[in-house]
Amino acid sequence: KAGVTQTPRYLIKTRGQQVTLSCSPISGHRSVSWYQQTPGQGLQFLFEYFSETQRNKGNFPGRFSGRQFSNSRSEMNVSTLELGDSALYLCASSLNTAEETQYFGPGTRLLVL
Amino acid sequence: KNQVEQSPQSLIILEGKNCTLQCNYTVSPFSNLRWYKQDTGRGPVSLTIMTFSENTKSNGRYTATLDADTKQSSLHITASQLSDSASYICVVRSNDYKLSFGAGTTVTVRA
Repeated sequence: KAGVTQTPRYLIKTRGQQVTLSCSPISGHRSVSWYQQTPGQGLQFLFEYFSETQRNKGNFPGRFSGRQFSNSRSEMNVSTLELGDSALYLCASSLNTAEETQYFGPGTRLLVL
Repeated sequence: KNQVEQSPQSLIILEGKNCTLQCNYTVSPFSNLRWYKQDTGRGPVSLTIMTFSENTKSNGRYTATLDADTKQSSLHITASQLSDSASYICVVRSNDYKLSFGAGTTVTVRA
């Protein structure tokens, strides 16, 4: 069974631009969560989706948004990029809830110049 | 103040030796506690998940313990291998589904 895949793996953007990251969960998994990881702040929870509905949300500004499609694939969008948005963005999937074992993708490394 | 504190920040051990990582938390009410292993340049991998009622959980050479009264957890690595070199992250989930992350402990195993 294929693991969680994220695209693109690397991305360079400039301040003010917007970016969309994609995550394909493990086949059969319906819960997708997004995390931001930086050297200074460590791992931080962004949001969790299940059956196309956002179930939980972390403490991030409205510039960060996401959605989930009927095939459980998920996208995350960051608008009006800031230098501080440079980070590794990780996606994790689980069968039904984030309470279960989560399987992480390799992440998308975003650099904002 | 972070609700999840991990110690030590980093440690170096010789191959074959054991080590113990600590995680203290103040998150309340508590739902579950997870330990993840993250190799450099890769996403985290779940090692253990423990709920309030569980005291110990093992995954191969990794054994996690939980004392919900003192709000402490430990991760014990037995007979360390070079592949154990990684960052180990403690994550606590509250009953209202909020997640709190530790800063991680970086383990380096030397031959």
